[in-house]
Amino acid sequence: GQNIDQPTEMTATEGAIVQINCTYQTSGFNGLFWYQQHAGEAPTFLSYNVLDGLEEKGRFSSFLSRSKGYSYLLLKELQMKDSASYLCAAMDSNYQLIWGAGTKLIIKP
Amino acid sequence: IAGITQAPTSQILAAGRRMTLRCTQDMRHNAMYWYRQDLGLGLRLIHYSNTAGTTGKGEVPDGYSVSRANTDDFPLTLASAVPSQTSVYFCASSIDGQGAGGYTFGSGTRLTVV
Repeated sequence: GQNIDQPTEMTATEGAIVQINCTYQTSGFNGLFWYQQHAGEAPTFLSYNVLDGLEEKGRFSSFLSRSKGYSYLLLKELQMKDSASYLCAAMDSNYQLIWGAGTKLIIKP
Repeated sequence: IAGITQAPTSQILAAGRRMTLRCTQDMRHNAMYWYRQDLGLGLRLIHYSNTAGTTGKGEVPDGYSVSRANTDDFPLTLASAVPSQTSVYFCASSIDGQGAGGYTFGSGTRLTVV
Protein backbone atom coordinates (compact mmCIF):
# COMPACT_ATOMS: atom_id res chain seq x y z
CA GLY A 1 0.00 0.00 0.00
CA GLN A 2 0.92 3.63 -0.19
CA ASN A 3 2.00 5.34 2.99
CA ILE A 4 3.56 8.51 4.35
CA ASP A 5 5.11 8.62 7.83
CA GLN A 6 6.06 11.77 9.70
CA PRO A 7 6.21 12.59 13.42
CA THR A 8 2.98 13.77 14.98
CA GLU A 9 4.44 16.63 16.97
CA MET A 10 7.77 18.39 17.54
CA THR A 11 8.86 21.20 19.83
CA ALA A 12 11.68 23.64 19.18
CA THR A 13 13.01 26.92 20.52
CA GLU A 14 12.79 30.30 18.82
CA GLY A 15 15.99 30.99 16.89
CA ALA A 16 16.98 27.33 16.70
CA ILE A 17 16.97 24.82 13.83
CA VAL A 18 14.52 21.94 13.44
CA GLN A 19 14.40 19.04 11.00
CA ILE A 20 11.09 17.33 10.19
CA ASN A 21 11.49 13.90 8.65
CA CYS A 22 9.19 12.11 6.23
CA THR A 23 9.37 8.60 4.82
CA TYR A 24 7.18 7.48 1.96
CA GLN A 25 6.10 4.37 0.11
CA THR A 26 4.25 4.94 -3.14
CA SER A 27 3.45 3.15 -6.37
CA GLY A 28 5.88 5.01 -8.55
CA PHE A 29 7.18 8.44 -7.67
CA ASN A 30 6.78 11.84 -9.26
CA GLY A 31 8.00 14.17 -6.57
CA LEU A 32 7.78 15.12 -2.91
CA PHE A 33 5.95 18.20 -1.64
CA TRP A 34 6.02 20.06 1.66
CA TYR A 35 3.18 22.32 2.76
CA GLN A 36 2.68 24.54 5.79
CA GLN A 37 -0.72 24.75 7.45
CA HIS A 38 -1.50 27.17 10.26
CA ALA A 39 -4.37 26.16 12.53
CA GLY A 40 -7.73 26.79 10.89
CA GLU A 41 -6.17 27.81 7.59
CA ALA A 42 -5.45 26.28 4.19
CA PRO A 43 -2.20 24.49 3.40
CA THR A 44 0.34 26.64 1.56
CA PHE A 45 3.05 25.30 -0.75
CA LEU A 46 6.62 25.32 0.59
CA SER A 47 8.76 23.10 -1.61
CA TYR A 48 8.94 20.42 -4.29
CA ASN A 49 11.74 17.89 -4.79
CA VAL A 50 11.91 15.34 -7.56
CA LEU A 51 15.69 14.81 -7.77
CA ASP A 52 17.97 13.72 -4.96
CA GLY A 53 19.57 16.49 -2.97
CA LEU A 54 18.91 19.66 -1.08
CA GLU A 55 16.74 22.55 -2.25
CA GLU A 56 17.23 25.77 -0.31
CA LYS A 57 14.67 28.55 -0.17
CA GLY A 58 15.48 31.21 2.40
CA ARG A 59 15.14 29.85 5.94
CA PHE A 60 13.57 26.65 4.65
CA SER A 61 15.36 23.77 2.91
CA SER A 62 14.06 20.41 1.72
CA PHE A 63 16.04 17.26 1.08
CA LEU A 64 15.16 14.14 -0.88
CA SER A 65 16.68 10.67 -1.14
CA ARG A 66 14.69 8.62 -3.64
CA SER A 67 16.62 5.41 -2.95
CA LYS A 68 15.72 5.62 0.75
CA GLY A 69 12.17 6.93 0.29
CA TYR A 70 13.08 9.76 2.62
CA SER A 71 12.76 13.51 2.80
CA TYR A 72 13.22 16.17 5.41
CA LEU A 73 12.27 19.80 5.83
CA LEU A 74 14.83 21.96 7.60
CA LEU A 75 13.73 25.20 9.21
CA LYS A 76 16.44 27.61 10.38
CA GLU A 77 16.30 30.67 12.63
CA LEU A 78 12.91 29.63 13.91
CA GLN A 79 10.32 32.33 14.49
CA MET A 80 7.12 32.14 16.49
CA LYS A 81 5.13 32.42 13.26
CA ASP A 82 6.62 29.08 12.16
CA SER A 83 4.34 27.35 14.66
CA ALA A 84 2.14 25.34 12.32
CA SER A 85 1.59 21.86 10.93
CA TYR A 86 3.93 20.72 8.17
CA LEU A 87 2.48 18.29 5.65
CA CYS A 88 4.57 15.91 3.59
CA ALA A 89 3.03 14.56 0.37
CA ALA A 90 4.41 12.20 -2.28
CA MET A 91 3.11 12.07 -5.84
CA ASP A 92 2.59 8.55 -7.18
CA SER A 93 2.79 7.20 -10.72
CA ASN A 94 -0.77 8.43 -11.44
CA TYR A 95 0.16 11.95 -10.32
CA GLN A 96 -2.02 11.62 -7.24
CA LEU A 97 -0.72 13.13 -4.01
CA ILE A 98 -0.47 10.82 -1.00
CA TRP A 99 -0.50 12.94 2.15
CA GLY A 100 0.99 12.41 5.57
CA ALA A 101 -1.06 13.33 8.64
CA GLY A 102 1.21 16.30 9.29
CA THR A 103 3.74 17.28 11.95
CA LYS A 104 2.59 19.89 14.43
CA LEU A 105 5.55 22.14 15.22
CA ILE A 106 5.43 24.06 18.49
CA ILE A 107 7.88 26.94 18.87
CA LYS A 108 8.73 28.06 22.41
CA PRO A 109 10.31 31.43 23.28
CA ILE B 1 -7.14 38.77 -5.99
CA ALA B 2 -6.06 35.59 -7.75
CA GLY B 3 -6.82 32.40 -5.92
CA ILE B 4 -9.55 29.98 -4.93
CA THR B 5 -12.82 30.94 -3.28
CA GLN B 6 -14.85 28.39 -1.34
CA ALA B 7 -18.35 28.84 0.02
CA PRO B 8 -19.77 28.52 2.54
CA THR B 9 -17.04 28.95 5.17
CA SER B 10 -18.92 26.70 7.55
CA GLN B 11 -22.24 24.89 7.68
CA ILE B 12 -24.28 22.77 10.04
CA LEU B 13 -26.38 20.34 8.05
CA ALA B 14 -29.10 17.91 9.05
CA ALA B 15 -28.46 14.30 8.10
CA GLY B 16 -30.23 13.31 4.91
CA ARG B 17 -30.09 16.80 3.42
CA ARG B 18 -28.45 17.60 0.10
CA MET B 19 -25.70 20.20 -0.03
CA THR B 20 -23.34 21.69 -2.60
CA LEU B 21 -20.00 23.13 -1.65
CA ARG B 22 -18.85 25.77 -4.08
CA CYS B 23 -15.34 26.30 -5.40
CA THR B 24 -14.20 28.92 -7.92
CA GLN B 25 -10.69 29.74 -9.11
CA ASP B 26 -9.47 32.61 -11.26
CA MET B 27 -5.97 31.37 -12.05
CA ARG B 28 -7.00 29.47 -15.21
CA HIS B 29 -5.64 26.29 -13.69
CA ASN B 30 -6.61 23.17 -15.60
CA ALA B 31 -6.70 20.74 -12.67
CA MET B 32 -8.92 20.97 -9.61
CA TYR B 33 -9.35 18.76 -6.57
CA TRP B 34 -11.58 18.21 -3.57
CA TYR B 35 -10.04 16.94 -0.32
CA ARG B 36 -11.37 16.27 3.12
CA GLN B 37 -9.22 16.74 6.20
CA ASP B 38 -9.98 14.89 9.42
CA LEU B 39 -8.05 15.05 12.69
CA GLY B 40 -5.12 12.66 12.75
CA LEU B 41 -5.43 11.78 9.08
CA GLY B 42 -3.78 13.13 5.98
CA LEU B 43 -5.73 14.99 3.35
CA ARG B 44 -7.83 12.49 1.42
CA LEU B 45 -8.79 13.04 -2.20
CA ILE B 46 -12.51 12.84 -2.91
CA HIS B 47 -12.72 13.73 -6.61
CA TYR B 48 -10.53 15.50 -9.12
CA SER B 49 -10.70 17.03 -12.57
CA ASN B 50 -7.68 17.35 -14.84
CA THR B 51 -9.48 19.60 -17.29
CA ALA B 52 -12.90 21.10 -17.89
CA GLY B 53 -15.42 18.44 -18.88
CA THR B 54 -13.62 15.54 -17.17
CA THR B 55 -13.73 14.23 -13.61
CA GLY B 56 -12.27 11.30 -11.73
CA LYS B 57 -12.70 9.49 -8.43
CA GLY B 58 -10.18 9.82 -5.66
CA GLU B 59 -9.58 7.78 -2.55
CA VAL B 60 -12.93 8.45 -0.81
CA PRO B 61 -15.58 9.27 -3.46
CA ASP B 62 -18.62 7.50 -2.01
CA GLY B 63 -21.48 9.84 -1.14
CA TYR B 64 -20.01 12.72 -3.16
CA SER B 65 -20.36 13.90 -6.74
CA VAL B 66 -18.70 16.66 -8.76
CA SER B 67 -19.05 18.42 -12.09
CA ARG B 68 -16.68 20.57 -14.15
CA ALA B 69 -18.71 22.49 -16.67
CA ASN B 70 -16.01 25.15 -17.13
CA THR B 71 -12.42 25.87 -16.08
CA ASP B 72 -13.24 28.04 -13.10
CA ASP B 73 -15.89 26.14 -11.15
CA PHE B 74 -15.75 22.76 -9.42
CA PRO B 75 -18.73 22.21 -7.08
CA LEU B 76 -18.92 19.23 -4.72
CA THR B 77 -22.35 17.79 -3.91
CA LEU B 78 -23.35 15.61 -0.99
CA ALA B 79 -26.53 13.91 -2.16
CA SER B 80 -27.72 12.80 1.28
CA ALA B 81 -25.43 13.88 4.09
CA VAL B 82 -24.38 11.49 6.86
CA PRO B 83 -22.55 12.27 10.13
CA SER B 84 -19.34 10.61 8.86
CA GLN B 85 -19.12 13.38 6.30
CA THR B 86 -18.43 15.87 9.08
CA SER B 87 -15.05 17.26 8.09
CA VAL B 88 -13.15 20.22 6.73
CA TYR B 89 -13.32 20.28 2.94
CA PHE B 90 -10.61 21.90 0.87
CA CYS B 91 -10.76 22.68 -2.81
CA ALA B 92 -7.41 22.95 -4.60
CA SER B 93 -6.08 23.61 -8.07
CA SER B 94 -2.87 23.18 -10.03
CA ILE B 95 -1.67 24.31 -13.44
CA ASP B 96 -2.00 20.79 -14.79
CA GLY B 97 -2.86 17.27 -13.67
CA GLN B 98 0.77 16.64 -12.80
CA GLY B 99 0.79 19.15 -9.99
CA ALA B 100 3.17 21.55 -11.70
CA GLY B 101 3.99 24.45 -9.43
CA GLY B 102 2.25 22.83 -6.50
CA TYR B 103 -1.34 23.02 -5.45
CA THR B 104 -3.17 26.19 -4.40
CA PHE B 105 -5.81 25.60 -1.74
CA GLY B 106 -8.99 27.42 -0.89
CA SER B 107 -9.66 28.48 2.69
CA GLY B 108 -11.88 25.46 3.36
CA THR B 109 -15.45 24.67 4.34
CA ARG B 110 -16.07 23.30 7.81
CA LEU B 111 -19.09 21.00 7.57
CA THR B 112 -20.90 19.46 10.51
CA VAL B 113 -23.59 16.87 9.80
CA VAL B 114 -25.96 16.29 12.73
